[in-house]
Amino acid sequence: DQQVKQNSPSLSVQEGRISILNCDYTNSMFDYFLWYKKYPAEGPTFLISISSIKDKNEDGRFTVFLNKSAKHLSLHIVPSQPGDSAVYFCAASVGPGGSEKLVFGKGMKLTVNP
Amino acid sequence: DGGITQSPKYLFRKEGQNVTLSCEQNLNHDAMYWYRQDPGQGLRLIYYSQIVNDFQKGDIAEGYSVSREKKESFPLTVTSAQKNPTAFYLCASSIQSLGSGELFFGEGSRLTVL
Repeated sequence: DQQVKQNSPSLSVQEGRISILNCDYTNSMFDYFLWYKKYPAEGPTFLISISSIKDKNEDGRFTVFLNKSAKHLSLHIVPSQPGDSAVYFCAASVGPGGSEKLVFGKGMKLTVNP
Repeated sequence: DGGITQSPKYLFRKEGQNVTLSCEQNLNHDAMYWYRQDPGQGLRLIYYSQIVNDFQKGDIAEGYSVSREKKESFPLTVTSAQKNPTAFYLCASSIQSLGSGELFFGEGSRLTVL
């Protein structure tokens, strides 16, 4: 049973436009969410996170939105750049005192076309 | 520069052989993790260690073993008991045990069983 779902395996957008990557989760105990970016043959790098006490977190071109009632989060990239082309993983965890494990989605491949 | 170093980057193994993947970090992080990535799959946790001389099984520990004799090092042995060892292996560390800390990943080791 997959607790973190990224239902779309890929997304293609034009440079300068908005990229929206979606993630759904089933475990209501999750209270911390992270996005990682991964280039081929490299390890993932941390991109942005959000705690369940917030519904939005922004860092430059990247914004993550959290809808707790829908158990849904999304990553917005504006404007998209060709260097953003990578696989993006959504991940979730239970806060201190809970699970020690970070649960990852399957990833979504973003392609930004020049 | 601080970071996580995995070696070797590529490794070929014959069936029935054990192989050990190295992971070293100089970030002074307490917690270290091993993940496995297969095509179209999210990252799955193999083992993790929160402190020296202690480690716990993750979701897919069967056929793997680890040790944590030093804070900086967390080697993973893929044994002959692992049925499908061909995969991309990622080592990670965090300042504290999750769930509110981000993971720092190495560049990965690709193991191919011939």
